[in-house]
Amino acid sequence: NAGVTQTPKFRILKIGQSMTLQCTQDMNHNYMYWYRQDPGMGLKLIYYSVGAGITDKGEVPNGYNVSRSTTEDFPLRLELAAPSQTSVYFCASSFATGVSYEQYFGPGTRLTVT
Amino acid sequence: DAKTTQPNSMESNEEEPVHLPCNHSTISGTDYIHWYRQLPSQGPEYVIHGLTSNVNNRMASLAIAEDRKSSTLILHRATLRDAAVYYCIHLRTGANSKLTFGKGITLSVRP
Repeated sequence: NAGVTQTPKFRILKIGQSMTLQCTQDMNHNYMYWYRQDPGMGLKLIYYSVGAGITDKGEVPNGYNVSRSTTEDFPLRLELAAPSQTSVYFCASSFATGVSYEQYFGPGTRLTVT
Repeated sequence: DAKTTQPNSMESNEEEPVHLPCNHSTISGTDYIHWYRQLPSQGPEYVIHGLTSNVNNRMASLAIAEDRKSSTLILHRATLRDAAVYYCIHLRTGANSKLTFGKGITLSVRP
């Protein structure tokens, strides 16, 4: 059981380039999330999904897009990379949402935009 | 607003108990308290959660004040591996309840 896996671990992008951050979970969780964490700060929710085909915006969605075609995968797309998107990105999943369900996090992708 | 207040940092000695405090004065009757921790260069991991009663699991204990406006995460014997940022999260009930991470408290453990 690998849990939540993310690729790549590190990436450097030039301004204006695009990329997709991959996230896969093997726990058959319905709910998946993308967060970003800036240095010295807590995590901020970018997008989340309550199941295949259903996504919704979180706190900081601008500049990102997501899709959820399968239960396992939840890729995050950056279309026109900007320096403000330099951050560590974490994907997470949970069986359900609500106060009693824990989220499981991946190891993160460290992205630098220069 | 479901905000929590934690000290910025704490220090502990290895093999001693650690008490990490958290204030959540706006908590209401059905809201939960969750704790996550983040080891260096890793994603957060769930530690414990509770509603009213004190809770124990293999990682830690959670003591919730009678008025529920504060709680304390207790690590019974700190190890060097427990050095991490600990996040106390006030989770509101509702279909779209979300984890809101503050800056957390940075725990250092001295050998």
